[in-house]
Amino acid sequence: AQSVTQLGSHVSVSEGALVLLRCNYSSSVPPYLFWYVQYPNQGLQLLLKYTTGATLVKGINGFEAEFKKSETSFHLTKPSAHMSDAAEYFCAVTFTSGTYKYIFGTGTRLKVLA
Amino acid sequence: DAGVIQSPRHEVTEMGQEVTLRCKPISGHDYLFWYRQTMMRGLELLIYFNNNVPIDDSGMPEDRFSAKMPNASFSTLKIQPSEPRDSAVYFCASKSTQGAGELFFGEGSRLTVL
Repeated sequence: AQSVTQLGSHVSVSEGALVLLRCNYSSSVPPYLFWYVQYPNQGLQLLLKYTTGATLVKGINGFEAEFKKSETSFHLTKPSAHMSDAAEYFCAVTFTSGTYKYIFGTGTRLKVLA
Repeated sequence: DAGVIQSPRHEVTEMGQEVTLRCKPISGHDYLFWYRQTMMRGLELLIYFNNNVPIDDSGMPEDRFSAKMPNASFSTLKIQPSEPRDSAVYFCASKSTQGAGELFFGEGSRLTVL
């Protein structure tokens, strides 16, 4: 069965520190992978996506993620956290064949400490 | 460009009342998705449409929920009768067949059933 797992429902980092949010997926077909961010009382906004090609993808606000097929992972990183990065982050997967069901992880709430 | 537009943003109703949530997708998008977000269950796909036709409604919790898409620019999600456990934020999202397939989300409708 296809699934997405986000390790850590809450992550706290100091301002200026590395941000690492983990995402692992399970899929029997090639995946498309996404990271979305949700600020309070707002909808989800796309941060970045992987479809094909380069496995290191860069997104908005200095975030990037690397697709590692051997590890079935798509972890999100940012070298230096900013207070404005405090939000909830969702990893999502859909598939290159079959239905267009998007499966979302349970989310990771990022807290940035001053 | 206008994004996905949802209404109402907030709805407070009493148990047993009918609730109708509305969504206008991005013009030209041919897929429309309805999601429900709660603290306990995260982001759940309820139903999605392709070219106004429901493709997968397996996530609709029970017969009290129904969704329609009478044309390419409008969709409704109806709950009748509503129950307190339906309290959640309901998101509409759309996507185009073209491109890498990211979802574009509305800002959500926060439903409270008393």
